[in-house]
Amino acid sequence: NAGVTQTPKFQVLKTGQSMTLQCAQDMNHNSMYWYRQDPGMGLRLIYYSASEGTTDKGEVPNGYNVSRLNKREFSLRLESAAPSQTSVYFCASSKTSGRGGVSYNEQFFGPGTRLTVL
Amino acid sequence: GQQLNQSPQSMFIQEGEDVSMNCTSSSIFNTWLWYKQDPGEGPVLLIALYKAGELTSNGRLTAQFGITRKDSFLNISASIPSDVGIYFCAGITGGGNKLTFGTGTQLKVEL
Repeated sequence: NAGVTQTPKFQVLKTGQSMTLQCAQDMNHNSMYWYRQDPGMGLRLIYYSASEGTTDKGEVPNGYNVSRLNKREFSLRLESAAPSQTSVYFCASSKTSGRGGVSYNEQFFGPGTRLTVL
Repeated sequence: GQQLNQSPQSMFIQEGEDVSMNCTSSSIFNTWLWYKQDPGEGPVLLIALYKAGELTSNGRLTAQFGITRKDSFLNISASIPSDVGIYFCAGITGGGNKLTFGTGTQLKVEL
């Protein structure tokens, strides 16, 4: 059980180049997320997918697109990379469940992709 | 967007000491999660809180969901060197599943 895996671990791009960050989870979770983390800041949500076939914008979606390929995989694409997108990107997944009127949603994170845009 | 204010930003403590940190918001949250992040790694979930007033322990860690639902506290007892890292609080509002993260508390332990 690998949990949440991300590829690549490191990437350097030139301004204007495109790339796709891959994420997969083997925990049979319904929901998946993409975050970015910048120095001195907490994680900020880029996009999320509550279930297979659906995606929604988070706090900082500009410059990104996502694809929920199937229940296991959720990719993040940078169509034209900019230096402001230099960051560490984390993928997460969760299995939302409810009982007794309480909604349980514990998110588990991958190891991150460190992206530098020159 | 919503903001979670986490304090202190950093702390330097002696091994064996107890540690307290907190997270506050102007908004009500229905879920509070506490994560620890080691250098070069992703955040790891420590404790999840789902009810106002709830007090939950995980080994030497104890977290509380504030009664006003606008704050949460994390305590670490008898700190050890491996407690070094950044601790993040995160909250969920309403019935959704979007997490809002605090800015983190960096813990450094002096041997």
